[in-house]
Amino acid sequence: DAKTTQPNSMESNEEEPVHLPCNHSTISGTDYIHWYRQLPSQGPEYVIHGLTSNVNNRMASLAIAEDRKSSTLILHRATLRDAAVYYCILIENNNDMRFGAGTRLTVKP
Amino acid sequence: DTAVSQTPKYLVTQMGNDKSIKCEQNLGHDTMYWYKQDSKKFLKIMFSYNNKELIINETVPNRFSPKSPDKAHLNLHINSLELGDSAVYFCASSQVPLSNEQYFGPGTRLTVT
Repeated sequence: DAKTTQPNSMESNEEEPVHLPCNHSTISGTDYIHWYRQLPSQGPEYVIHGLTSNVNNRMASLAIAEDRKSSTLILHRATLRDAAVYYCILIENNNDMRFGAGTRLTVKP
Repeated sequence: DTAVSQTPKYLVTQMGNDKSIKCEQNLGHDTMYWYKQDSKKFLKIMFSYNNKELIINETVPNRFSPKSPDKAHLNLHINSLELGDSAVYFCASSQVPLSNEQYFGPGTRLTVT
């Protein structure tokens, strides 16, 4: 019952940019868009989050559509260590947080 | 200098037993959580504590009882374990409730036989 839709899997070549899409057409005005990733046999790792404006940090960039019904996580130069499952999550005022199935990113050398 | 730690990492037990999973964070965060990740990799929040007080209690059987002796610890006790409890349980913490980045522990893989 996740409120986001992501492709099941994506592939990228090492050193190339990766754009991971997420649809959240039922997003409410107060929902924050969060991205986490999970490497094999590890706990989820925070990547980035935003509300309306595009965001950049040392790990990635987050591009948010003007109507906020979709967003894209951008890894500028994929490395082998970026291979993971990436989760797009909406966090509401009621503190509900549910991870969906995510996108499994494969990075090819 | 592990940020969020959980013990044990693996737990194999029989149906009907009672077991506990411990979680500690040394980040000085006020909020801690327990999540359950099932075989399909869906991660669902179970509980959240802020300053030792319960703020989120999802639809979880009352066989699961969280205990927070202080802000740095949030333990999960499970009574009368069932086969369906088999999953990976993650502890996490954040500075403020759910509006900031969360730091996750390495997970505890529980197998009920």
